[in-house]
Amino acid sequence: GQQVMQIPQYQHVQEGEDFTTYCNSSTTLSNIQWYKQRPGGHPVFLIQLVKSGEVKKQKRLTFQFGEAKKNSSLHITATQTTDVGTYFCAGGDMEYGNKLVFGAGTILRVKS
Amino acid sequence: ETGVTQSPTHLIKTRGQQVTLRCSSQSGHNTVSWYQQALGQGPQFIFQYYREEENGRGNFPPRFSGLQFPNYSSELNVNALELDDSALYLCASRPGNTGELFFGEGSRLTVL
Repeated sequence: GQQVMQIPQYQHVQEGEDFTTYCNSSTTLSNIQWYKQRPGGHPVFLIQLVKSGEVKKQKRLTFQFGEAKKNSSLHITATQTTDVGTYFCAGGDMEYGNKLVFGAGTILRVKS
Repeated sequence: ETGVTQSPTHLIKTRGQQVTLRCSSQSGHNTVSWYQQALGQGPQFIFQYYREEENGRGNFPPRFSGLQFPNYSSELNVNALELDDSALYLCASRPGNTGELFFGEGSRLTVL
């Protein structure tokens, strides 16, 4: 079945440093979504990528979807303490009702 | 506030018992997905309902079952509870098979 792997599992950065998390799918995806979950909270949608090679930006966050639509990345420039949380990618496959399969997430901690 | 409500928020059961979790989706959302999130893990896809029909299922045994009602609210039923079923159960809705998932706050199940 479809699997989504995410690395690193955990990253601890100094405030102001950059952060990147990577996502790889075992199958070609129809779309990929990114979510952020704060401790004790529920996942909150950040963005969806659909096109091969797509790049989207949200302020300090840059999202990429690979050419083969099997991998993706989230890059945060100049992290802030408000960026703390777990970042999940979720791969969608329209062949299976576009069920979204989540990666294990990357926990981001920011030292001020 | 996503407009997705789940009940109960917390519950404790013993091994072998059965549990029903409920989800009221956001108005106009005809797709509901259920996820299991163990501590420190990513959400694991259980199943998805679209207009009252199951149209996607993850690697969960048949003792995990569900329903979606005409008003698009949903239930997750788990029979013969096991200790490993202890987790946060998340319900998420969206309008159709594409687009972001709107998550509820979750139901935290503890099996003793």
